Order: sequence, then C-alpha cells, then structure tokens
Amino acid sequence: AAGVIQSPRHLIKEKRETATLKCYPIPRHDTVYWYQQGPGQDPQFLISFYEKMQSDKGSIPDRFSAQQFSDYHSELNMSSLELGDSALYFCASSLGTGKNTIYFGEGSWLTVV
Amino acid sequence: AQSVTQPDIHITVSEGASLELRCNYSYGATPYLFWYVQSPGQGLQLLLKYFSGDTLVQGIKGFEAEFKRSQSSFNLRKPSVHWSDAAEYFCAVLGFTGGGNKLTFGTGTQLKVEL
Repeated sequence: AAGVIQSPRHLIKEKRETATLKCYPIPRHDTVYWYQQGPGQDPQFLISFYEKMQSDKGSIPDRFSAQQFSDYHSELNMSSLELGDSALYFCASSLGTGKNTIYFGEGSWLTVV
Repeated sequence: AQSVTQPDIHITVSEGASLELRCNYSYGATPYLFWYVQSPGQGLQLLLKYFSGDTLVQGIKGFEAEFKRSQSSFNLRKPSVHWSDAAEYFCAVLGFTGGGNKLTFGTGTQLKVEL
C-alpha cells in the first residue's frame, strides 16, 4: 500500500539559509500534518491542513510557513535557519480530521551547520 | 489540553521475556489512543490503536495494548520479545481542536533487548 512520501530524506543547510520540505500524502487523504522531532525528543506538532486550509497550528516558528496544494501535497518552508532547527521533520496524513488514524512518513532529516 | 506520560525512559529486557510499556493519558473526553514504534533513524510505524469497543486491542508484530479508563492507562504488552523489537516506543492521544485534530505524544520509551 502507498505510504506518505517525504522529500528530500536528508538535507544539509547553512545558518540563515532557506529549506523546503515536501510531503505527498497517502492517496485520497485530505489532511496533512507536520511534526518536528529534535534529537532524543518526542515529535512536536507544528501545523496541519485540511482540504488545503490550515486547520491547526502548534509550536511552529514564525520563520516557518507551510501550505497544502490542490493535489493535497504539502510543503514546509523554513527560512533564516538556525542550528536549533536541526531535527527530523515528519509529515503525516489522514482521511479527514475526525477519529481517524494518522500515518507518518519516513521523515526528512535537516541538519543546519 | 491532552497529555501523555510514559514513566519509563529506558527499559531493558532479555530476548524471549515478556514486555510491558506503560502509558498514562490525560484527556477530557473519550480518548483515542495509539502506539507507534520508531527504529533508529526511521519513521513512526503504527503498532495499534484504540478508538472504542473491546478494551484489549491487537496490533502488528505480536503487540497488544489494554485500555483502562479507571486508570487512564493504555499499556503496551508483548508476551515474548524478539531482538528486532529494540526501538523507541511512543504512546499518543488524538485530540480535537476547533479546526481539526492532532496527536500528542509521550516522551517515549527506549527498549533495549539483551540476547
């Protein structure tokens, strides 16, 4: 079965640079979530989208922005990168925003040097 | 706001021994609970979930979990651990906000399996 696809899997950027992560949800899933997992930490919710509209916002820095496109894929844009942004970024998807299972991608490793 | 507590940061068991990972949740309504597993450098794989009905749920890889409302717990169990089960395990609760839903994770339990 098709899963959540994230790209790139690994990314190295310098401080103050910009990075863009892409997420392709499971086919027919209309809801996308972004999570950030720092080293040795649990995943922290950043932001979510349902039917191309932002549905919830968590601890996402103002330097970050995200959107969901007409084909339901999503992109997380991170600007003015800081060393502390180095983390594993997960995208997840579900069918709707109700009592549904949320499936995660393999994650994108961002290293800021 | 919902929250999840996993009291054990690290657990070590011998291969073939039984396993129980603890999870306690806080949520004002009926909780929808999940267990995910994460191998080093990998993504989060769903082990099992509880939405309603039978309080003992079966998952993949021989795992099961029991929902106990009176104790606000959703402990994960496996009768006989295999070396390949070494990983980090996250308990999570699904919460509903005005606009949508989101998972809140516990801090995770790192499982080490001794051969």
